Amino acid sequence: AQKVTQAQTEISVVEKEDVTLDCVYETRDTTYYLFWYKQPPSGELVFLIRRNSFDEQNEISGRYSWNFQKSTSSFNFTITASQVVDSAVYFCALSEPLTGGGNKLTFGTGTQLKVEL
Amino acid sequence: GAGVSQSPSNKVTEKGKDVELRCDPISGHTALYWYRQSLGQGLEFLIYFQGNSAPDKSGLPSDRFSAERTGGSVSTLTIQRTQQEDSAVYLCASRDMNTEAFFGQGTRLTVV
Repeated sequence: AQKVTQAQTEISVVEKEDVTLDCVYETRDTTYYLFWYKQPPSGELVFLIRRNSFDEQNEISGRYSWNFQKSTSSFNFTITASQVVDSAVYFCALSEPLTGGGNKLTFGTGTQLKVEL
Repeated sequence: GAGVSQSPSNKVTEKGKDVELRCDPISGHTALYWYRQSLGQGLEFLIYFQGNSAPDKSGLPSDRFSAERTGGSVSTLTIQRTQQEDSAVYLCASRDMNTEAFFGQGTRLTVV
């Protein structure tokens, strides 16, 4: 069975600090996708990134960067120079194929990030 | 609409009553998903629709839960004889073949 582990339940940082959110996954599939979603207090899950298992290049998008390491089954997320607006719950997820095609997301338990002034 | 729309945003119901939760996916998205988010269980997959058919219902927790989708668009999740453990946020998501899943803001269900 697929599993995603986010060991950090809650992280508090002061604005402008860098912060890394950890994600470790388990799968027997050779092809899979990894995701990060942000859930602000409004409740909607906001897509941040999708990464194919064959692409191990790290990715940077503004203050966000992702480190995908297949050897350690990890897909960590770093926010550089954090801001108060980054406060949210962040979920890591792994795709899993479904009967009849399509796929579903297996989510980690989320990391609550609090950025304070 | 531009995004996935769910209604109602909040629902309080008495134990034993039936409830219906509605999801309007993004226009043109053929795949639709229901998830449940609760404190003890995190985010759980409930059911997946491709068009109007549901090839995977493996996540529905009991036979009190059912869902349908009509016209390849709107979906309704029905919970019969609600129990207190059904209290959670129910999230709907839609996608097409080439995109990631887009989520709605959810329906917060409270069973009292």
